[in-house]
Amino acid sequence: LAKTTQPISMDSYEGQEVNITCSHNNIATNDYITWYQQFPSQGPRFIIQGYKTKVTNEVASLFIPADRKSSTLSLPRVSLSDTAVYYCLVGEVSNYQLIWGAGTKLIIKP
Amino acid sequence: EAGVAQSPRYKIIEKRQSVAFWCNPISGHATLYWYQQILGQGPKLLIQFQNNGVVDDSQLPKDRFSAERLKGVDSTLKIQPAKLEDSAVYLCASSSRGLDILDEQFFGPGTRLTVL
Repeated sequence: LAKTTQPISMDSYEGQEVNITCSHNNIATNDYITWYQQFPSQGPRFIIQGYKTKVTNEVASLFIPADRKSSTLSLPRVSLSDTAVYYCLVGEVSNYQLIWGAGTKLIIKP
Repeated sequence: EAGVAQSPRYKIIEKRQSVAFWCNPISGHATLYWYQQILGQGPKLLIQFQNNGVVDDSQLPKDRFSAERLKGVDSTLKIQPAKLEDSAVYLCASSSRGLDILDEQFFGPGTRLTVL
C-alpha cells in the first residue's frame, strides 16, 4: 500500500504562495494523487487531483514530477480563510482504496 | 443541491452504552462511506457501500460496530457497546459513481462522539 508523508504543520502569511509537499515513494503506476482540505468541525472537501505533470483549477495547482514519488500542492496568494488541514491521498485504483495520511495543518497569519 | 446530512451533530454517552448515527447522502449518489476520525488524525475508512451492498468493511470492528444502508439511500452506523477509544468524529461521505475511488467524495459535517 502506498503511504503518504507530509509535514505536520506549516505557517505562512496572507498574500503569500504556499507549497505543501507530499511524499509517496511506493506509488503504483495506476495510482492518482488527490488533495482534500478540512476546516475545523467540518468534513473534508476535495481540492484537486492529478496523475502527472501539472494540474490547475480555480483554487490550487498540483505539481507531480516524472518519477511521481512526490507531489506539491500550491495555493496562490493565501488568505486567513485558507487556514485548515490539508490531506494528500493516494488513490489505489487496483484496490479501490484511498489512503489518508495525518495531513498538514496550515496556519495563515495576517 | 443539498449536501450530505448527518445527525446527531454531537453525542455524549457512557462506556458500554449503545449509539447510532444517521446519514443521508446526496441524492443519486451510489457510493456511501463511513469514516472515523480521531482528533489529530486523518479519516479512517470503516465501511463503504455501493448502493445497498458492502464493498469494503475490512476496518470495521465487527464485534461492536454495525452499519446498514437500506434501499441504497440512507445509512446508519451503530456502536454497541461503546468503548472509551471510540471517542471520535464519525464522518459520512458519498460519491456519485460506483467503485471509482477517484470520484470526488462529498462529506457531511460529522457526528462528534464522546464516550465517558
